[in-house]
Amino acid sequence: KQEVTQIPAALSVPEGENLVLNCSFTDSAIYNLQWFRQDPGKGLTSLLLIQSSQREQTSGRLNASLDKSSGRSTLYIAASQPGDSATYLCAVRPVRGSTLGRLYFGRGTQLTVWP
Amino acid sequence: DTAVSQTPKYLVTQMGNDKSIKCEQNLGHDTMYWYKQDSKKFLKIMFSYNNKELIINETVPNRFSPKSPDKAHLNLHINSLELGDSAVYFCASSQVVEGYEQYFGPGTRLTVT
Repeated sequence: KQEVTQIPAALSVPEGENLVLNCSFTDSAIYNLQWFRQDPGKGLTSLLLIQSSQREQTSGRLNASLDKSSGRSTLYIAASQPGDSATYLCAVRPVRGSTLGRLYFGRGTQLTVWP
Repeated sequence: DTAVSQTPKYLVTQMGNDKSIKCEQNLGHDTMYWYKQDSKKFLKIMFSYNNKELIINETVPNRFSPKSPDKAHLNLHINSLELGDSAVYFCASSQVVEGYEQYFGPGTRLTVT
């Protein structure tokens, strides 16, 4: 069964810092990996989707990498801002089969960026 | 122009009642999902429908029954509500079952007293 772990569970940094959020998964047979952001009391916003054949994806100040063989992904946030404060969730989608379509989520990294 | 919408946003009810949560997506997606986020913020899939057909049914009590009247709607009906059902329920959709981004609704916070 796929298990997704995110480290650290919480992170507090001053504005302007570059930071890295880590995600690891136990079964490397994934179809893709998706990073989400969740603000308090809100739904999930998709940030980046990396297909299993890709190594990284970039969107603005965000860069996500994927090393499928080692079961790891990182989300890099450049020049952090207070508006980046949220919980960041990593989710993997297994390959075809009985687990078709589902996402397995980590428990998230709660990020606080202070001015 | 909301992509995935859910109603109600908040639901407070007593044990033993029956309630429904509605979900609609206007993205033209063919697959919809229900997830449960527990008090520790852990998200876990409950159900998935593709073209109105149930394709994922996790180990969920049969008090929970999803219904998909058409591709754009996936409702969740819960019978005989229990205290442990209190959670945030998220609806999501994707273009194709595999490999496409999932888009989430704003969530429905269910509180059972």
